[in-house]
Amino acid sequence: DSGVTQTPKHLITATGQRVTLRCSPRSGDLSVYWYQQSLDQGLQFLIQYYNGEERAKGNILERFSAQQFPDLHSELNLSSLELGDSALYFCASSVGIDSRRTDTQYFGPGTRLTVL
Amino acid sequence: AQKITQTQPGMFVQEKEAVTLDCTYDTSDPSYGLFWYKQPSSGEMIFLIYQGSYDQQNATEGRYSLNFQKARKSANLVISASQLGDSAMYFCAMREGENTGNQFYFGTGTSLTVIP
Repeated sequence: DSGVTQTPKHLITATGQRVTLRCSPRSGDLSVYWYQQSLDQGLQFLIQYYNGEERAKGNILERFSAQQFPDLHSELNLSSLELGDSALYFCASSVGIDSRRTDTQYFGPGTRLTVL
Repeated sequence: AQKITQTQPGMFVQEKEAVTLDCTYDTSDPSYGLFWYKQPSSGEMIFLIYQGSYDQQNATEGRYSLNFQKARKSANLVISASQLGDSAMYFCAMREGENTGNQFYFGTGTSLTVIP
């Protein structure tokens, strides 16, 4: 158990809908990262937050947004869902004091999203 | 150019034997960190081992060791005395620089199957 929690574990929804994925980082970790893992794209970095502020952006679509709250939990919002958004969405956290190269990311169990 | 290359999509190893999973990386930054993660069929991403670019010795964590060859830009994972529970996908990842706030770059993974 990495100490990172994600809810829900599974989510099934229809095209055009909006969903929210939730992540609680390990105790003491200030950085939260979101990743999308699909069969054809592999593991794709979406976005990073550090202590409530957006820190880095990867291949995140305009239809997706995220935020990190004062209690450091994070939410990833996916809207106008398409079939291709079906994937495993991971949250990871790290101490992230300076985002140094030594800063290990610990992953949550993931949320499996299925868009029908 | 790919930042992380894992050229072995699938590997097989006999139980109790050692196996090496290949990883090469591409960076011009003198400061970087290399990571290996394991993803069993249950889906979670488990951190295994870390190697820093300035580390003089190869990293070891139990049965895992990292064969770090800086000049060749390779960071191969060696699993000794393979166990059935080692069957999983293995991902190599890299973070460049200090204080960058940047994301990890992940390879496409190697699927390891341990044969009884």
